[in-house]
Amino acid sequence: RKEVEQDPGPFNVPEGATVAFNCTYSNSASQSFFWYRQDCRKEPKLLMSVYSSGNEDGRFTAQLNRASQYISLLIRDSKLSDSATYLCVVTPSSASKIIFGSGTRLSIRP
Amino acid sequence: NAGVMQNPRHLVRRRGQEARLRCSPMKGHSHVYWYRQLPEEGLKFMVYLQKENIIDESGMPKERFSAEFPKEGPSILRIQQVVRGDSAAYFCASSIQQETQYFGPGTRLLVL
Repeated sequence: RKEVEQDPGPFNVPEGATVAFNCTYSNSASQSFFWYRQDCRKEPKLLMSVYSSGNEDGRFTAQLNRASQYISLLIRDSKLSDSATYLCVVTPSSASKIIFGSGTRLSIRP
Repeated sequence: NAGVMQNPRHLVRRRGQEARLRCSPMKGHSHVYWYRQLPEEGLKFMVYLQKENIIDESGMPKERFSAEFPKEGPSILRIQQVVRGDSAAYFCASSIQQETQYFGPGTRLLVL
């Protein structure tokens, strides 16, 4: 089993739709969780951290479920500019390195 | 406050040559990470360094690859005797302590 797993997609949804991704992790002692966004041929950029209590930033909501060992990202009222690959990132307890998921590709169509 | 800088942005090498990739972390960041991304694949961790120390090199191939982060100057990822399979985007990230990582624009290596 991979340390961090994501549905690779692609998710192809119309503009204005709501879309959600999940990401599962195998190390129950993992401490920190993030969502990054990567546009084609660009570097990953931090989208948001994921806290135990959940957090929201505009149209984006991130949730953490420690019992089931997954994190989620919800995008409401999707825009064309949301088209990208979304990377789930998990920091193991040792924190010596972070683990990236392979990413979920999202394509928003007009 | 400049972000993470990497150079060159693009590098072309012939098989058997050496490739040197440089990374200057954000000001105040003492932790540097190198990742490799093959076409259509995810990021793969290679090595984690602090000034003058390699902390974790578990993702680095045992041969031909080396990394350093000297007291002065940028971090260097060195690939000796490159092969076509080394063609990829190499990203560097930096952080304060072991917190959020910020990425540079990457170096795209093409081995002919």
